[in-house]
Amino acid sequence: NAGVTQTPKFQVLKTGQSMTLQCAQDMNHEYMSWYRQDPGMGLRLIHYSVGAGITDQGEVPNGYNVSRSTTEDFPLRLLSAAPSQTSVYFCASSYVRSSTDTQYFGPGTRLTVL
Amino acid sequence: KQEVTQIPAALSVPEGENLVLNCSFTDSAIYNLQWFRQDPGKGLTSLLLIQSSQREQTSGRLNASLDKSSGRSTLYIAASQPGDSATYLCAVPDSNYQLIWGAGTKLIIKP
Repeated sequence: NAGVTQTPKFQVLKTGQSMTLQCAQDMNHEYMSWYRQDPGMGLRLIHYSVGAGITDQGEVPNGYNVSRSTTEDFPLRLLSAAPSQTSVYFCASSYVRSSTDTQYFGPGTRLTVL
Repeated sequence: KQEVTQIPAALSVPEGENLVLNCSFTDSAIYNLQWFRQDPGKGLTSLLLIQSSQREQTSGRLNASLDKSSGRSTLYIAASQPGDSATYLCAVPDSNYQLIWGAGTKLIIKP
């Protein structure tokens, strides 16, 4: 049981490049989400999914796309990277979307956009 | 709009001391409050969840309290150890069950 895995751990992009951050979980969780964490700020929700085929926007969705074709995978796509997207990205999952269900986090991807 | 604040941003204490981390929130109509631990290069780990009807929750050397009326929660760590060094974050869910996060307190326990 690997929990929540994220790849890559580190990535450097040039402005305008695109890339996909991978997230996978093996706990059969329905709810998955992407956060970004910036210095001096709390985590902010980018996108989330309550099940395969269903996605929705969070607090800061601009510049990012997601899809959920399977229960296990929830990739985050940066369409045209900007320096403002330099951040640490965390993927999380839980059984369902609720206020009490424990969320499990991946180790994060540190992204730098030059 | 709910806002969550954690002060101080960093704290350094000698090993063995008891310490308190603070979390404040602006809207007292919360379902619960959670405390997480974040280690460098690793994801976040849930430590404690306090329901809105509870005033305290304990796990080992950790004790979290909740005072909804004043919009405050504290995380008490007893007999601190170097292994407790980490960043501690608190979060509350909004009406859509999305977590609203504090920026965290970076704790350093000096041997």
